[in-house]
Amino acid sequence: AQSVTQLDSQVPVFEEAPVELRCNYSSSVSVYLFWYVQYPNQGLQLLLKYLSGSTLVKGINGFEAEFNKSQTSFHLRKPSVHISDTAEYFCAVSGTYGQNFVFGPGTRLSVLP
Amino acid sequence: ETGVTQTPRHLVMGMTNKKSLKCEQHLGHNAMYWYKQSAKKPLELMFVYSLEERVENNSVPSRFSPECPNSSHLFLHLHTLQPEDSALYLCASSAETRNNSPLHFGNGTRLTVT
Repeated sequence: AQSVTQLDSQVPVFEEAPVELRCNYSSSVSVYLFWYVQYPNQGLQLLLKYLSGSTLVKGINGFEAEFNKSQTSFHLRKPSVHISDTAEYFCAVSGTYGQNFVFGPGTRLSVLP
Repeated sequence: ETGVTQTPRHLVMGMTNKKSLKCEQHLGHNAMYWYKQSAKKPLELMFVYSLEERVENNSVPSRFSPECPNSSHLFLHLHTLQPEDSALYLCASSAETRNNSPLHFGNGTRLTVT
């Protein structure tokens, strides 16, 4: 079975500051990893994904994430956040042998002026 | 036009009502999904359809009944719901059910059961 942990339920940060949202997963098989963002009153939008290859993946809106297999982590980072980045961020994993997506509980990022 | 469209955006229904949620995808995908998003809980997968066949049903109560008439349309029929069924219901699609294929979500239907 797979599971996803997002330790921080809320992260407040000032505008133009860097941010890291943490994601750790547990799985007995190889995984694919994803970060999604949900703006108020909207569905989830794919930010970035790790399937294979380079462990540093870049996504939309200036976000990037690094896959660390030894630490079973896939933390999301942005060097300088904007007010418009205020949203809920979800980490998700899926197994490479057909297991379905499992989503983390989400981290609410609040960017303060 | 968004890739995945859900209607209605908001729905209020009594416990004895029957209603349906509709989802349409314009991405040429072969797989469609229903998820339930409740406050303070992770996303819950409800149903998965691949090429119009149901391939997963995650122990969802029978008061929720999905229908997939073709690969572009997905419905969720609701009857005799309970207040705890109030949530955001999200439809998603993907190119296929292989799990390196990302999900594309609609904006959801906010359901309130009174």
